[in-house]
Amino acid sequence: AQKVTQAQTEISVVEKEDVTLDCVYETRDTTYYLFWYKQPPSGELVFLIRRNSFDEQNEISGRYSWNFQKSTSSFNFTITASQVVDSAVYFCALSEYGNKLVFGAGTILRVKS
Amino acid sequence: GAGVSQTPSNKVTEKGKYVELRCDPISGHTALYWYRQSLGQGPEFLIYFQGTGAADDSGLPNDRFFAVRPEGSVSTLKIQRTERGDSAVYLCASSVGMATDDTQYFGPGTRLTVL
Repeated sequence: AQKVTQAQTEISVVEKEDVTLDCVYETRDTTYYLFWYKQPPSGELVFLIRRNSFDEQNEISGRYSWNFQKSTSSFNFTITASQVVDSAVYFCALSEYGNKLVFGAGTILRVKS
Repeated sequence: GAGVSQTPSNKVTEKGKYVELRCDPISGHTALYWYRQSLGQGPEFLIYFQGTGAADDSGLPNDRFFAVRPEGSVSTLKIQRTERGDSAVYLCASSVGMATDDTQYFGPGTRLTVL
């Protein structure tokens, strides 16, 4: 069965600190996709990134970066110089065949000014 | 363009009642998904449609839940004889197609409260 584990339930940082959100996944598929979504207090899930299982290159988008390591089945997300607006719940997800998403339990990020 | 919309945003009902939750996907998206998110949890898959047909309904918890998408666009999630345990946020998402790499875009959800 496919599974996504986000071991960090809640993280609190002070503005401008860097923070890494961990994601570990389990799958027997050789082809799969990994996602990160952000859920701000408004409740709507916002797509951040998609990564396929054949592309282990790290990706950077502004203050966001993602580190995908198949050897450890991890897809971690780092926010550099965090800001109060980054406060949200962040979900890592894995897609099965047919694009059905399996989500982790989420990590609550609180950024204090 | 317009994103996924869901109505109502909030629904309060009494145990045993019937409810309908509506989802309007992004125009041109052929795949539509329903998820349920309980407090403090990640969304859990319920059902998805490719066009008008339910491609996978394995996540529906029991036969009180069913969903339709008669014209391949708007979908309605229907819950009969609601129970307090059905209280959750029901999320709808749509994607261009059903391929594994097609990104799902989510609506704001319907918060269902069963008293």
